[in-house]
Amino acid sequence: GQQVMQIPQYQHVQEGEDFTTYCNSSTTLSNIQWYKQRPGGHPVFLIQLVKSGEVKKQKRLTFQFGEAKKNSSLHITATQTTDVGTYFCAGGGRGSTLGRLYFGRGTQLTVWP
Amino acid sequence: DTAVSQTPKYLVTQMGNDKSIKCEQNLGHDTMYWYKQDSKKFLKIMFSYNNKELIINETVPNRFSPKSPDKAHLNLHINSLELGDSAVYFCASSYRAEAFFGQGTRLTVV
Repeated sequence: GQQVMQIPQYQHVQEGEDFTTYCNSSTTLSNIQWYKQRPGGHPVFLIQLVKSGEVKKQKRLTFQFGEAKKNSSLHITATQTTDVGTYFCAGGGRGSTLGRLYFGRGTQLTVWP
Repeated sequence: DTAVSQTPKYLVTQMGNDKSIKCEQNLGHDTMYWYKQDSKKFLKIMFSYNNKELIINETVPNRFSPKSPDKAHLNLHINSLELGDSAVYFCASSYRAEAFFGQGTRLTVV
């Protein structure tokens, strides 16, 4: 079945360092979404990318969608302690799986002050 | 107003019991979901309903039965609870794009 792989599973950085998490899908996606879950909280939508090669920025966060629409990345510049949490990518299915979201396993980010 | 609300927030119960979790959304979305998040944070979809119709039913034991009385509500009933059912269960709703998640129900089976 369709899978979305996400790496790394854990990342520990010192405040001020950069952070990147990567997602890869076994099949072409209709879109990719990114979510952030704070410790003890629920996943919160960050952004959706739809177009091949698309790049979007939200302040210190940069999101990319690959040309083949099979991979994506989230890069955080100069991490802050408020960035702590688990970041999930979620790939949107196509065709018979349209409407489904396939979540990666998430990357748990820890930021040391 | 909370967009997606689920109750209870915490549920502690003994093995073999039957329990229900309720979910309501006031966003007017047609699609609702149940996800299970294990201790390693993995989010696994269980069910999805679109306008009260079941459209996704992943490999979930028959002990789990969703019910959608209307498109704003999606409840989850679990029979004969087992230790392995302990997890956080999230309800979510969506309209074409982003999913809005409820606060989660932490189920502990003892």
